[in-house]
Amino acid sequence: NAGVMQNPRHLVRRRGQEARLRCSPMKGHSHVYWYRQLPEEGLKFMVYLQKENIIDESGMPKERFSAEFPKEGPSILRIQQVVRGDSAAYFCASSPFQGANTEAFFGQGTRLTVV
Amino acid sequence: AQSVAQPEDQVNVAEGNPLTVKCTYSVSGNPYLFWYVQYPNRGLQFLLKYITGDNLVKGSYGFEAEFNKSQTSFHLKKPSALVSDSALYFCAVRDGAGNNRKLIWGLGTSLAVNP
Repeated sequence: NAGVMQNPRHLVRRRGQEARLRCSPMKGHSHVYWYRQLPEEGLKFMVYLQKENIIDESGMPKERFSAEFPKEGPSILRIQQVVRGDSAAYFCASSPFQGANTEAFFGQGTRLTVV
Repeated sequence: AQSVAQPEDQVNVAEGNPLTVKCTYSVSGNPYLFWYVQYPNRGLQFLLKYITGDNLVKGSYGFEAEFNKSQTSFHLKKPSALVSDSALYFCAVRDGAGNNRKLIWGLGTSLAVNP
């Protein structure tokens, strides 16, 4: 059973371009979480999705950021018109169900660098 | 409001000595508590969790944590530290009350084990 797969591992974008980050959850997991980690900082929650539904997007910036988790295929975090401040590590985690006592499993992250 | 505090940014300990990484929390209902470890340029790995039952929880790599309800703490411990334990450690809590399943994260504690 493969773990949470994120790709690409490293992504370089020029200011103004779009960044697409992909996350394939563990097999059987239908809940996906996205986090952002800035250098020397902790994890910041961005969005929580279940298949085809956004459950909680309270951590998403109001503009330029969007996320989806379609019925088929990976979850996508999309950042439009990237700026230097978007440079960070973006982590995806998945869990099998919504139980409060369930731990989440993390991917290796995508390191976005905006030049 | 739900919150997690890791009061120490960095902990230094000599190899072979016991280590403690501190975590305190605040939730309105019963807490579900988690510890994760992050090695350089890697994702987060689950170490252990407290849901209910015995206050002393044992996890991966010889780590354990003690839940203390009166002090609202969940400190991570290991009897004898290894150099390979050097990493970033995150504490997280989920409130067992209500329908909010979002994990609340501490800012992390950097553990350095010196040979």
